[in-house]
Amino acid sequence: SQTIHQWPATLVQPVGSPLSLECTVEGTSNPNLYWYRQAAGRGLQLLFYSVGIGQISSEVPQNLSASRPQDRQFILSSKKLLLSDSGFYLCAWSAQGVGPQHFGDGTRLSIL
Amino acid sequence: SQKIEQNSEALNIQEGKTATLTCNYTNYSPAYLQWYRQDPGRGPVFLLLIRENEKEKRKERLKVTFDTTLKQSLFHITASQPADSATYLCALEAGGYQKVTFGTGTKLQVIP
Repeated sequence: SQTIHQWPATLVQPVGSPLSLECTVEGTSNPNLYWYRQAAGRGLQLLFYSVGIGQISSEVPQNLSASRPQDRQFILSSKKLLLSDSGFYLCAWSAQGVGPQHFGDGTRLSIL
Repeated sequence: SQKIEQNSEALNIQEGKTATLTCNYTNYSPAYLQWYRQDPGRGPVFLLLIRENEKEKRKERLKVTFDTTLKQSLFHITASQPADSATYLCALEAGGYQKVTFGTGTKLQVIP
C-alpha cells in the first residue's frame, strides 16, 4: 500500500533562519506531489505542485521554494524565514488521472 | 473572482441525526468535486469524489450531491456518531494535474 511520510512534525525556527521540510511517498511511482500551507482557521493554500522529477509549479509568490530531486521525494525550502511563514505545512500526493489527494500528517512551523 | 464557501460556523447536531454540510462556489466550472475530513493537527483524509455528470454519490453513511446549475454540493452523514466530529472540507477541481482548491471547511460536532 502507499504511504506518505512528512517530517518533522513540529518545528520552531527564528526569523531569518533557513528551512527544509521533506516529504517522501512509498508504494507508488510517478505521483503528482503537492505542498500546502494551512493558516489557523483558514483553508488549504496550494504552494507548489510537481508532476515529475525536476518539474515544479509555483502557485503563490513568496520566499519559499520547492524541489523534487527524486520521483517520490518533495522538499520545501526557504533561505530566510519570515514571521508570516508560520503555519501548518502539508504534503500530498495523487496518482495520475482524476482521483483523491493523500496527505501526510503535516509539519507545524512556528517562527519566533 | 473565484470563491468557495462553506459555512464557517460550527454545526452542532444530535447523535443519530443526519448532518448536512454545504459547499457553494462561484466562477468555477469544476469537472469534479471532493470531500475530505480533517481532524485537529492532522492532514485531510479523502472521503468522496463526485464528477460533474453525477448527481449523487454514496459510501456507507455518507452521501454527496453535486448540482452544477446551483453551483452547490451537499454532504450528508446519516445516523451521525460522536466519532464523526471533525472539520469537513470540500475541494473543487481547479484545472490540470489534479489540482484542487479547498474551501475553509465546516466543523461538525456530534453531541451524544
